[in-house]
Amino acid sequence: GQSLEQPSEVTAVEGAIVQINCTYQTSGFYGLSWYQQHDGGAPTFLSYNALDGLEETGRFSSFLSRSDSYGYLLLQELQMKDSASYFCAGTDSWGKLQFGAGTQVVVTP
Amino acid sequence: ETGVTQTPRHLVMGMTNKKSLKCEQHLGHNAMYWYKQSAKKPLELMFVYSLEERVENNSVPSRFSPECPNSSHLFLHLHTLQPEDSALYLCASSQDRTGDEKLFFGSGTQLSVL
Repeated sequence: GQSLEQPSEVTAVEGAIVQINCTYQTSGFYGLSWYQQHDGGAPTFLSYNALDGLEETGRFSSFLSRSDSYGYLLLQELQMKDSASYFCAGTDSWGKLQFGAGTQVVVTP
Repeated sequence: ETGVTQTPRHLVMGMTNKKSLKCEQHLGHNAMYWYKQSAKKPLELMFVYSLEERVENNSVPSRFSPECPNSSHLFLHLHTLQPEDSALYLCASSQDRTGDEKLFFGSGTQLSVL
């Protein structure tokens, strides 16, 4: 099985940078995904890391370190619309996806 | 719009009722999923269907009964639920069931059991 730990809430001001950490304990770890969910909305896919290193997609970047069983999602140039919950999810080698409990990001003016 | 549609958006039911949740995907995907989302908890995988065949059932109580009549539609039939079953039920789909596939979620059905 897997377990993933991430902070429950992060607050930051517009224009700032936020890093959401995710640590995992899993057997047969395969890759780490990130999803965003606005209140009342569907979770939407942001990124997937199968290899160590940084993946950049616009203002959002995701990082993975397999040796440290750790990853993070970096949100840059924060905007009000980035207020949402962010979930990390680990995939094991059997194709099973396990989600963390989510981090509520609150962006203030 | 993710291409995955769930109905109804909200549902209130008594413990003796029978109801069904519906999910439809217009993406041509081969795998469909039911997840349960409770406040401050990780999403819990309930069922997985791949090519209309159930491939995973994560120890879900029998009062939840899934049905996948074709690759575009997924149902979750509910009967004699308990108050602790109140949660957001999310449907998702992916191209295949390889694990590194991107999941496309619907907006969910917010279920309240009285």
